[in-house]
Amino acid sequence: GEDVEQSLFLSVREGDSSVINCTYTDSSSTYLYWYKQEPGAGLQLLTYIFSNMDMKQDQRLTVLLNKKDKHLSLRIADTQTGDSAIYFCARPDTGRRALTFGSGTRLQVQP
Amino acid sequence: DTGVSQDPRHKITKRGQNVTFRCDPISEHNRLYWYRQTLGQGPEFLTYFQNEAQLEKSRLLSDRFSAERPKGSFSTLEIQRTEQGDSAMYLCASSLEEAGGPREQFFGPGTRLTVL
Repeated sequence: GEDVEQSLFLSVREGDSSVINCTYTDSSSTYLYWYKQEPGAGLQLLTYIFSNMDMKQDQRLTVLLNKKDKHLSLRIADTQTGDSAIYFCARPDTGRRALTFGSGTRLQVQP
Repeated sequence: DTGVSQDPRHKITKRGQNVTFRCDPISEHNRLYWYRQTLGQGPEFLTYFQNEAQLEKSRLLSDRFSAERPKGSFSTLEIQRTEQGDSAMYLCASSLEEAGGPREQFFGPGTRLTVL
């Protein structure tokens, strides 16, 4: 999606924290989502955050939302090799039901 | 019902042939979506249904593409006269529309189409 941007690649060592960033241009989104895609598989919804929240924590996952800068991040604590995948942020299209996705960030976890 | 299922998982066809994919959503979900994903990109919206009604189509959905959801349950996506540019992963998702809810979309495993 043109208006959802992510960095392409992130490499971390097992046990470290990973931070995946996303920026978007449309500030009218009510929810923002993070999806995970493993090779050859469909997308798994990891978490979402409502636009009136700044932070949401769910076990090893922490989502931070900076509405002023239109910046969303996903922090994975104690990253494991099983976390290696492509991570997509997504937002609902304005006035539509579809989701607009970023191009995805490939997370590589080195043992 | 454990999730969204799609069939087939892989399809190889020759250019010019017709193909049809099936999606079975989560049973209580009233919305069903089709997306297309090419290598290195995020999914791109194609169309969606609320129950049996097709409410929106993307400009990506050329007239060679048709989707149906005849009884508001499973859906089919047909591509006629396939072209090499149709090669992609076709993803189906479903959601339960609730006022003010997060509208989480749950995705199936996808059908990977290769057009030779």
